[in-house]
Amino acid sequence: EAGVTQFPSHSVIEKGQTVTLRCDPISGHDNLYWYRRVMGKEIKFLLHFVKESKQDESGMPNNRFLAERTGGTYSTLKVQPAELEDSGVYFCASSQRQDRATVTQYFGPGTRLTVL
Amino acid sequence: AQSVTQLGSHVSVSEGALVLLRCNYSSSVPPYLFWYVQYPNQGLQLLLKYTSAATLVKGINGFEAEFKKSETSFHLTKPSAHMSDAAEYFCAVSGPSGSARQLTFGSGTQLTVLP
Repeated sequence: EAGVTQFPSHSVIEKGQTVTLRCDPISGHDNLYWYRRVMGKEIKFLLHFVKESKQDESGMPNNRFLAERTGGTYSTLKVQPAELEDSGVYFCASSQRQDRATVTQYFGPGTRLTVL
Repeated sequence: AQSVTQLGSHVSVSEGALVLLRCNYSSSVPPYLFWYVQYPNQGLQLLLKYTSAATLVKGINGFEAEFKKSETSFHLTKPSAHMSDAAEYFCAVSGPSGSARQLTFGSGTQLTVLP
């Protein structure tokens, strides 16, 4: 079974440009999460999808960030326009359902975003 | 609100020595607790999790952690460190039990294993 995949692995852009990150969750996982780690600080929650619906987007920093999950499969996270403080590693995770046995979140390798 | 504190951003041990990585949590509801590991140039991998069953949890690669409610702690241990254990370790909490809510992470502990 394939794990969570993310594309690209690295992205270097200039301030003001647009970047789109993609996450493919484990097949059959309804829950999809985005997290971000900025400059060696804590990994922080951005938002949570259940299928195609946004369950919780309380961690999104501002309206320059737009996440979508059309059809409840893969998800994209767009940053437009990018600012210097957006640099960091963006992680995606997925989990199967909400019952006790399947609460584990499985993480992808992350996308390292550098904004110059 | 939930929070996690990992004491020691960097820990060094000699190969064969005990590994002890500290994690204290704060949660207003019964927590689920996790330890994840990130090896260089890789993603986060689950080491072990506590989900209100046994308080001593065994994970992969010889790691284990004990949930102590009275101390609000979930420290990670391994009896004998191996060079391959060098990585960054993250403690995380979620809740309430049974939900698929977000994880709250500690700031991470970088483990160095000395030959």
